[in-house]
Formats: sequence, structure tokens, C-alpha cells
Amino acid sequence: DSGVTQTPKHLITATGQRVTLRCSPRSGDLSVYWYQQSLDQGLQFLIQYYNGEERAKGNILERFSAQQFPDLHSELNLSSLELGDSALYFCASSVVGTRSGELFFGEGSRLTVL
Amino acid sequence: SQQGEEDPQALSIQEGENATMNCSYKTSINNLQWYRQNSGRGLVHLILIRSNEREKHSGRLRVTLDTSKKSSSLLITASRAADTASYFCATDAPGATNKLIFGTGTLLAVQP
Repeated sequence: DSGVTQTPKHLITATGQRVTLRCSPRSGDLSVYWYQQSLDQGLQFLIQYYNGEERAKGNILERFSAQQFPDLHSELNLSSLELGDSALYFCASSVVGTRSGELFFGEGSRLTVL
Repeated sequence: SQQGEEDPQALSIQEGENATMNCSYKTSINNLQWYRQNSGRGLVHLILIRSNEREKHSGRLRVTLDTSKKSSSLLITASRAADTASYFCATDAPGATNKLIFGTGTLLAVQP
């Protein structure tokens, strides 16, 4: 158990809909990272937050947005969903914010868009 | 886009044998990490090697790093069926230390 909690574990929805994925980082970790894993794209870095502030951005679509709240949990919002958004979405956390170290991953949220 | 590519894409060995996976990357790095992923599960950190290190050991794992060739290898000795998983290398680049970029992964199958 990494200590990172993601909900929901599975989500099935239709094209055009909007979903919110939630992540609670390990106790004490200030950084939260979001990754998308799909068969054709592999593991793609989406975005990182550190203590409530956006710190780094990757291949995140404009239809996607994220935030980190004062209690350090984070949410990833996916809107106008397309079939190609079906993937496993991982949240990870770490203590550090400006220097790479070990990431602790949650078990992921599997999104299926029909 | 992915920074690293693992080779081979898939590897099947017998229990007790050693498994070697390679990772090549494109730009200079601060450090390189290896992660393991059991099917459909979250990734688990295995080992981190800094750009000024050439070799590192952790239990049955041995990692090497050759920055001149922009490559790393992960050796798992005396493999066990429980080592069956996908293995990913991940790198960060100077100036982008918050963006840990993962490679394409090697799927290791250890036959009992």
C-alpha cells in the first residue's frame, strides 16, 4: 500500500460527459502528479501540483483540468469526453516539489468512455 | 512524447535466471529511476540512480547508467515468478525536474 488513495477505481461513462477523479496523497507529501496510461500512448505526464500551486504541465488536453486543495488532495476533471480518453489515470505523490525523487503511485482510476 | 525506450519490449525467462532490461533516453538527465507495475496496478519505485553515479545495487537489483550513451540497464538476478511485471525507466531533465517522463516499458514474464 503506497498510501496514495484514488477514487473511483472504475468509471464508465458516455462520450460528451464530464467526470472528476480524486486523489489523496500520502500523509506529508506536498506534491501531486497526474499521469495517463493507455495502450497506444503509454504513460503520459499530465500535470503536477505542489502545495496548491501548479508546478509543471505536460501533455494535458484543454478539456482536462486539475487542482490541489488546501488539504492537499487533488482532483482531475475531464470534460467533453471522447472514446480516446479511455485510460488508466494515476495519481502519484512525493515530498519534494522542485527536485525529482521517488514517486508513490495510487492504484489508478480506470476510465471507460463508451 | 516519451523520453525513454525500453528494450526488449517483452522478455520471457525461467525462474532462477537473470533478467536484463535496457533503457535509452534522449536528453541529459538529473537522475534515472526504475519502476515496476503489476498488471493494471499502480507503479512501484524500485531504484534511483543519479547522473553522477555509474552503478547501484538494491537487493537482487543492479542498475547501471552510462550518460555518454544515454542508456541504463536493470538487472534482476535469480528471478522469481513474483517478478513477473512491467518495468519502466523514468527520467527527468535539468530545468524540468518536476516532469518525470516514463519509457515504454519491458514486460517480463518469469516462468516457474
